[in-house]
Amino acid sequence: GDSVTQMEGPVTLSEEACLTINCTYTATGYPSLFWYVQYPGEGLQLLLKATKADDKGSNKGFEATYRKETTSFHLEKGSVQVSDSAVYFCALSRNTNAGKSTFGDGTTLTVKP
Amino acid sequence: DAGITQSPRHKVTETGTPVTLRCHQTENHRYMYWYRQDPGHGLRLIHYSYGVKDTDKGEVSDGYSVSRSKTEDFLLTLESATSSQTSVYFCAIKDGDSNQPQHFGDGTRLSIL
Repeated sequence: GDSVTQMEGPVTLSEEACLTINCTYTATGYPSLFWYVQYPGEGLQLLLKATKADDKGSNKGFEATYRKETTSFHLEKGSVQVSDSAVYFCALSRNTNAGKSTFGDGTTLTVKP
Repeated sequence: DAGITQSPRHKVTETGTPVTLRCHQTENHRYMYWYRQDPGHGLRLIHYSYGVKDTDKGEVSDGYSVSRSKTEDFLLTLESATSSQTSVYFCAIKDGDSNQPQHFGDGTRLSIL
């Protein structure tokens, strides 16, 4: 079945450092890929998405490129801020399976001033 | 923000009592989902719905039942709550297209003593 593997956390960075959170997936066909972010006390919210190979999703300085050859969708940001501290989830969905998504386990990011 | 309201937001109850959590949407989305989030387990799907009166089990459905009598409402019931069901519960909705993300409510924190 489908699966999503994220790099384990927690990740602690200093402000203005570069961020990469690795995500790889296993799925049949051509899934859509997503990164969600969860701030303390809130639900998940979409950060960015990519729907086909070589697409790049971007939002709020974060980027991720859909790499079908390596089945990866790594999240990157060139300069993190304290306000980026949150839990990040990688996920995929396919156009079958009742719209269900498969989520990674989440990576906790803490950015220190 | 997607129109999703979860109620109650917090609940403390005793083992053996019935508990019902409500998810209400104003988006007219077809799919609705209930997840639980626990430390070390990420998000786990409990039940989902693909239409009025159409529901199915997720990966951790034991001890839970659901109902969807109207498009906008998806109820999660714990018939006889146990301490292992202490968790944060999230409802999510999704439009039909696989390219669309899920939209999450703000969660219900449930404590069973």
